[in-house]
Amino acid sequence: SAVISQKPSRDICQRGTSLTIQCQVDSQVTMMFWYRQQPGQSLTLIATANQGSEATYESGFVIDKFPISRPNLTFSTLTVSNMSPEDSSIYLCSVDDRANTGELFFGEGSRLTVL
Amino acid sequence: DAKTTQPTSMDCAEGRAANLPCNHSTISGNEYVYWYRQIHSQGPQYIIHGLKNNETNEMASLIITEDRKSSTLILPHATLRDTAVYYCIVSPEYNAGKSTFGDGTTLTVKP
Repeated sequence: SAVISQKPSRDICQRGTSLTIQCQVDSQVTMMFWYRQQPGQSLTLIATANQGSEATYESGFVIDKFPISRPNLTFSTLTVSNMSPEDSSIYLCSVDDRANTGELFFGEGSRLTVL
Repeated sequence: DAKTTQPTSMDCAEGRAANLPCNHSTISGNEYVYWYRQIHSQGPQYIIHGLKNNETNEMASLIITEDRKSSTLILPHATLRDTAVYYCIVSPEYNAGKSTFGDGTTLTVKP
């Protein structure tokens, strides 16, 4: 199984600022995924991050708002730019298992509150 | 990915079996059924998955109907720590990371 660490675990941010969330995995993985979970809601996929290529964004999410980096096979960052209160959510990093059985491992999430 | 339908909430008595249903009537031939759960304030946790045969592991059993249009997750002896939101997802193995999470079932295990 993969162990995923996310930083920060939580933060309170001011409107208009940006915050970068880090995701560190204890093993090399091909694909990393970023999800958003708004208060009381289910998970929504933001983008898929492959090492060495641009992230692929889902409908409704754009690179200018959620730039992603994937510098190597164990690390990724998600930036939430120009934040507004509507961005208050839990942001989750996920990876698929090395055996390609489709099992997803999730970090504990980063809970952002935008004032 | 195919859409899944789950009851919004369920209760279960501690020590009894919890049976969580999921409908996935539009599932494709190459799509697996995955179950995850999310305990409050934690990231989702993988439970089990299967294609068409019933599966069992240390956490749960997965029963998939012969036509694959529905499935049931069984927690054989529910404990208070099993209180969580349970998500049923269908996806090809190679594309699980792009799975669509529905609203899930909130299971409350009561003493």
